[in-house]
Amino acid sequence: GENVEQHPSTLSVQEGDSAVIKCTYSDSASNYFPWYKQELGKRPQLIIDIRSNVGEKKDQRIAVTLNKTAKHFSLHITETQPEDSAVYFCAASDYPGGYQKVTFGTGTKLQVIP
Amino acid sequence: SAVISQKPSRDICQRGTSLTIQCQVDSQVTMMFWYRQQPGQSLTLIATANQGSEATYESGFVIDKFPISRPNLTFSTLTVSNMSPEDSSIYLCSALAANTGELFFGEGSRLTVL
Repeated sequence: GENVEQHPSTLSVQEGDSAVIKCTYSDSASNYFPWYKQELGKRPQLIIDIRSNVGEKKDQRIAVTLNKTAKHFSLHITETQPEDSAVYFCAASDYPGGYQKVTFGTGTKLQVIP
Repeated sequence: SAVISQKPSRDICQRGTSLTIQCQVDSQVTMMFWYRQQPGQSLTLIATANQGSEATYESGFVIDKFPISRPNLTFSTLTVSNMSPEDSSIYLCSALAANTGELFFGEGSRLTVL
């Protein structure tokens, strides 16, 4: 089955700086790579995703990149703000084909220091 | 988007008892999944809830311990059977948006087994 590795496990940045979280996956059948943000005590929520036919996607301060050959994908947050503090999970799925299961990485706890 | 209602939100249970968690989605979805999230950890897939048939379990999870039902497209239950303290965790119901692949989550059920 799919295995998703995520680094770093914790990340502290000063407000206004950038944060980068990196993930690797193992199953070449994975086509869809979402990123979820989970605030303390809350449910995970999708913040951005990328599909295998796209190398990069940006949404305001958040961007994701995908290198399907190397099975790497990354989340970039620019101009970080205290409200960005949360746990971020990368994930991989074979959606829309296959079993459509979503396998999550181990998570990165991001702390933005004001 | 899909709104997922999950109950109970939390419970304290005695060792050896069983508890059933209910999950209701407000719109028709194709795939429903149950995840477990232990404190400070990632989301681990327990099983895919299949409508009208037996759930598909991930490695390490068995039907006798985690029986799952899905009688229709929008409702599912997860039972945690013969509970032990090791079952103390947050259990999350999720549903997949068929047209986007986005995974929506319920608010979770926090179980504490004494």
